[in-house]
Amino acid sequence: DTEVTQTPKHLVMGMTNKKSLKCEQHMGHRAMYWYKQKAKKPPELMFVYSYEKLSINESVPSRFSPECPNSSLLNLHLHALQPEDSALYLCASSSLGTSGGNLADTQYFGPGTRLTVL
Amino acid sequence: AQSVTQPDIHITVSEGASLELRCNYSYGATPYLFWYVQSPGQGLQLLLKYFSGDTLVQGIKGFEAEFKRSQSSFNLRKPSVHWSDAAEYFCAVGAYSGGGADGLTFGKGTHLIIQP
Repeated sequence: DTEVTQTPKHLVMGMTNKKSLKCEQHMGHRAMYWYKQKAKKPPELMFVYSYEKLSINESVPSRFSPECPNSSLLNLHLHALQPEDSALYLCASSSLGTSGGNLADTQYFGPGTRLTVL
Repeated sequence: AQSVTQPDIHITVSEGASLELRCNYSYGATPYLFWYVQSPGQGLQLLLKYFSGDTLVQGIKGFEAEFKRSQSSFNLRKPSVHWSDAAEYFCAVGAYSGGGADGLTFGKGTHLIIQP
């Protein structure tokens, strides 16, 4: 099973709202990721939790706040967003596995949350 | 820093014809390469991956890709496309440091159109 689930599927929020996106995997993976994808663009990495350590893309605004309550769950807290933050937000997970002594890691993606900021 | 180039923004192929999508990468070490497919409004589905070993890798849905180190390429192929293959295709390279993952770097994508 390579399923990553994301809720909600769609979210519409105002610029003063606080909301959260949720991601869950039950594959025992040790790394989880948030990507942002604008229309007709490739996904761009926002955050990585790897071995429970957070890595931040320095260009991500502080109005996005990730949280990893446990190894299966990853949240993205949203506060005071701007209309340009409207996008598809993708969650992924990976096992950080190895093959032949080398890192051999594959990311599996969820279906995404379509966020619209009014 | 690693980078991925997909030179074709759009490709139109007739149903039943063969397909090749191009991907070139730039990475200082041994690359970890992937092809993903995305239907409109959906997440990314992994088609295939290359880590090491045999340079011709087989994936799902009848796709294959060949890693050519001398050309820094990882082109995706399918001998006969179906209308359901119409989608956006992304080539990606993985970067890793300190034993942890640093995420994927994607190419800009190739939009595949299937003509009846």
